[in-house]
Amino acid sequence: EEQLVESGGDLVRPGGSLRLSCAATGFTFTSYAMNWVRQAPGKGLEWVSGLSGSGVSTYYADSVKGRFTITRDNSKNEVYLQMISLRVEDTAIYYCARSFAATLWGPGTLVTVSS
Amino acid sequence: DIQMTQSPSTLSASVGDRVTITCRASESISSWLAWYQQKPGKAPRLLIYKASSLERGIPSRFSGSGSGTQFTLTISSLQPDDFATYYCQHYNSHSRKFGQGTKVEIK
Repeated sequence: EEQLVESGGDLVRPGGSLRLSCAATGFTFTSYAMNWVRQAPGKGLEWVSGLSGSGVSTYYADSVKGRFTITRDNSKNEVYLQMISLRVEDTAIYYCARSFAATLWGPGTLVTVSS
Repeated sequence: DIQMTQSPSTLSASVGDRVTITCRASESISSWLAWYQQKPGKAPRLLIYKASSLERGIPSRFSGSGSGTQFTLTISSLQPDDFATYYCQHYNSHSRKFGQGTKVEIK
């Protein structure tokens, strides 16, 4: 069964850092671009970052550029989102999603940025 | 930066109604548009990709059309399971952008 499972969400102070992970199973991981998408409480979906199957090409929304870094480890079938200088407005459920038109999503992990 | 605008923001409808949601891009995006359905507490689910291609396993009452800057999602006969929030999304190799969402409520 194809599956994505996120982990690493937590409560963190403004200015803090956090690293999210997404484990992929059931499909050829290297064949797909991967993305992080977030959803603030009661709000809509916001694409955060994406990277190519090889991990060479990475892309970011303007709202996180310079603060978030997306990487992948194709030997472990995992994708990561390193987040620094976190702000209250980064509070959201963070979803891992496969491909450009996202055919597969994880259940999400909650990041809360609060003092 | 391409902006995606959905209308309406909320839609009240009854079971059996034909429902249409519109998505407009600030500039031409060819057919690089997807539609998702999201229910409370759940991850989104892909319904339509490349503007009009039905994702595997999605009921045929869902259809998409359009190209360039104007797109529509149509539900031909609304079912109880269809009450949810719907999002359009532009995608390409280096960016994805969602519309603000359309909530379909029970009338």
